[in-house]
Amino acid sequence: GAGVSQSPRYKVAKRGQDVALRCDPISGHVSLFWYQQALGQGPEFLTYFQNEAQLDKSGLPSDRFFAERPEGSVSTLKIQRTQQEDSAVYLCASSSQAPDTQYFGPGTRLTVL
Amino acid sequence: SQKIEQNSEALNIQEGKTATLTCNYTNYSPAYLQWYRQDPGRGPVFLLLIRENEKEKRKERLKVTFDTTLKQSLFHITASQPADSATYLCALHGSSNTGKLIFGQGTTLQVKP
Repeated sequence: GAGVSQSPRYKVAKRGQDVALRCDPISGHVSLFWYQQALGQGPEFLTYFQNEAQLDKSGLPSDRFFAERPEGSVSTLKIQRTQQEDSAVYLCASSSQAPDTQYFGPGTRLTVL
Repeated sequence: SQKIEQNSEALNIQEGKTATLTCNYTNYSPAYLQWYRQDPGRGPVFLLLIRENEKEKRKERLKVTFDTTLKQSLFHITASQPADSATYLCALHGSSNTGKLIFGQGTTLQVKP
């Protein structure tokens, strides 16, 4: 079956632009996570959804970051007024329940110039 | 403050030898710990999960130990192969029931033929 997919795989933005990153989780997975991974570092938690409810957004670095999952499946991470420090790989993961094994997508590499 | 540490230096070993990777943590009482493999340009892939009441877990050539007194997990790959070359990440679940993972920075393993 299909795994977690993310799009786009690569995104280049000029500083100040808004970006939207999409995640398609494994069908039927209740839990969805977003992580940010800087070069040479492990992933860092951003936010968590259980179905359409955003239950934990403690990792979002600023109010420029916003995530949604309106129908409990596809999720979008939006970054407004991007800054150079937002450059990173953004990973999405899903699991059938929390806590449980998480299945990661390939990530979106965001480069802010 | 809470901290997870993995060997930041790359581990280079000869094919056929056993690779041992270390994960140390402080100021956590994780219910369980997971190990993931990450290849360049890809998302992490789940390998093993071990619970706080388990001392050791095995899967094929992989073995994980979990010592809650020492606050340490060891990850072993026996009879290593060049295809095992990758970055290995340890991840903890905290007391939160959201399933949020806290990752170490990862250790890069290079197995030479």
